[in-house]
Amino acid sequence: QVQLKESGPGLVQPSQTLSLTCTVAGFSLTSYNVHWVRQPPGKGLEWMGVIWNTGGTRYNSALKSRLSISKDTSKSQVFLKMNSLQTEDTATYYCARDRGGPFAYWGQGTLVTVSS
Amino acid sequence: IMLTQSPATLSVTPGESISLSCRASQSISTNLHWYQQKPNESPRVLIKYASQSISGIPSRFSGSGSGTDFTLNINRVEPEDFSVYYCQQSNSWPLTFGSGTKLEIK
Repeated sequence: QVQLKESGPGLVQPSQTLSLTCTVAGFSLTSYNVHWVRQPPGKGLEWMGVIWNTGGTRYNSALKSRLSISKDTSKSQVFLKMNSLQTEDTATYYCARDRGGPFAYWGQGTLVTVSS
Repeated sequence: IMLTQSPATLSVTPGESISLSCRASQSISTNLHWYQQKPNESPRVLIKYASQSISGIPSRFSGSGSGTDFTLNINRVEPEDFSVYYCQQSNSWPLTFGSGTKLEIK
């Protein structure tokens, strides 16, 4: 079945770079798009960006200068890198697969805390 | 595109039927989806494209609307329905979510 699972450091220091991995199963990254969505504690959802099945990307302009999404199709992994982290970047980070519109499948999320 | 959800919180008794609102800042046709999120869980899609049902989602959930005004209806709320509901548009970039409506037990 379709599965997505995020992994990465739970704690990042301010001004440092966040690196997260989304490992997928049950589908090919050459056939489906994968998005990153984040949610600060107790707050709403923010779409961050997408990597298309073709390998192209699109980012939220609010994050574009800091954000990079890439993938390794052979390993079924999608990567998120975001630099210059601040405390307001503390959030649960989700990867999600779309289905031509809605986010049909979500990972469990990984909490990232930005703190010294 | 901004999505405004109302009310922010809705207190109801199990068995009541309710409607949640999502208003877009400009027309998004029917490119609007609804999610449910329970505490410490990932969101789950309930309705796609404003009114299309999703396999495995109880039939008490339904959606309507087009353009800028959308509604999620829950017919006879069950205890497991108390959670937060988000709308999301896929009409234009960046993809955006509403701020959510928390459904709580009265």
